[in-house]
Amino acid sequence: AQSVTQLGSHVSVSEGALVLLRCNYSSSVPPYLFWYVQYPNQGLQLLLKYTSAATLVKGINGFEAEFKKSETSFHLTKPSAHMSDAAEYFCAVSTGGQAGTALIFGKGTTLSVSS
Amino acid sequence: SAVISQKPSRDICQRGTSLTIQCQVDSQVTMMFWYRQQPGQSLTLIATANQGSEATYESGFVIDKFPISRPNLTFSTLTVSNMSPEDSSIYLCSVSTDTYGYTFGSGTRLTVV
Repeated sequence: AQSVTQLGSHVSVSEGALVLLRCNYSSSVPPYLFWYVQYPNQGLQLLLKYTSAATLVKGINGFEAEFKKSETSFHLTKPSAHMSDAAEYFCAVSTGGQAGTALIFGKGTTLSVSS
Repeated sequence: SAVISQKPSRDICQRGTSLTIQCQVDSQVTMMFWYRQQPGQSLTLIATANQGSEATYESGFVIDKFPISRPNLTFSTLTVSNMSPEDSSIYLCSVSTDTYGYTFGSGTRLTVV
């Protein structure tokens, strides 16, 4: 079975600072990994996904994540935080939709950005 | 990617009653997934629905409380039965149309009073 652990339920940064949201996964088979963002009272928006093509994945809004098999990690980063980045971020794992497996989500990390 | 129409978008229900949530997909999909997002929490998988067979429920979820229908490859329903205030959540359906992509419905915001 797959699982993800998001370290830190709440991360606070200043505007312009580096954003680092941590995600570690557990999977018995090569995983597919995803980061989603959810703004208050809105639905999920896909930021980026790792599908084994490249270990460094670039997403929307300047976010990127690096897949590190040796560390079983898929941390999300952004060089410079913007006030509009304040939201809830979810890491998720799957062994592939075609295999009939659902996305399994971590507990989420709330990102706060101060001016 | 697929487009999902989920209904209703929100409802306020009396405790002890049941609500059926519908998800219609614009293309045929093998698996549909149902999630619950409790207030301030992450998404928790309720069950996986395969057309033509009974849904597979995750630990902590039972068919009597959350019966699922999957009559064809484009439609599914989730019923929340004998509701209590603890069932107040957002319920979402999801499908995967390829190995790497998942699409989510817009969600049903349920309040039980």
